[in-house]
Amino acid sequence: AQSVTQPDIHITVSEGASLELRCNYSYGATPYLFWYVQSPGQGLQLLLKYFSGDTLVQGIKGFEAEFKRSQSSFNLRKPSVHWSDAAEYFCAVGAINAGNMLTFGGGTRLMVKP
Amino acid sequence: GAVVSQHPSRVICKSGTSVKIECRSLDFQATTMFWYRQFPKQSLMLMATSNEGSKATYEQGVEKDKFLINHASLTLSTLTVTSAHPEDSSFYICSARTSGGGFTDTQYFGPGTRLTVL
Repeated sequence: AQSVTQPDIHITVSEGASLELRCNYSYGATPYLFWYVQSPGQGLQLLLKYFSGDTLVQGIKGFEAEFKRSQSSFNLRKPSVHWSDAAEYFCAVGAINAGNMLTFGGGTRLMVKP
Repeated sequence: GAVVSQHPSRVICKSGTSVKIECRSLDFQATTMFWYRQFPKQSLMLMATSNEGSKATYEQGVEKDKFLINHASLTLSTLTVTSAHPEDSSFYICSARTSGGGFTDTQYFGPGTRLTVL
């Protein structure tokens, strides 16, 4: 069975600083990996996804993520954080043999200091 | 594109009543829809997978007689919480998978429904 770990429950960064959110996965085959963002009381918005090919994936809002098979990681990065980036971020792995069922990590809450 | 809506966005009901939540894919056809619940400050937990025209597949520990799912069309799935109790209070989120047929389809999420059972 697949699993996803987001080691950091909370992260606080200053506006303008760089950001890296960690995600480690466990999956027996080539994973399909996603990052979603959730604002308070809202649904999830897809930031980016990795299926195959280039291991550095560009997403919306200036985010990118790098798939590293050797480390079973898919960390999310942004070079300069904006106050509007404060939200909950979820990493997820998709199971191709189960209708793309997603397994989510526990989430990382990002707070941005002015 | 790929917009998913949920209705209602928020519902408060008395214990023992039933509540229906609708999930619609507005601009695409979704052969598969997923229902999740999310407790405060926690991650999303998959409840069931709903395929158009067939019975839903429930995750272990989810009571299918309590959480009735109907996926009658390619754009609509409903979740009915029957005889709701306070412990059913949660944030319910649906997602819809584009029906391109490939295993690289992406799930698009609705905005969620906040259910409070008094």
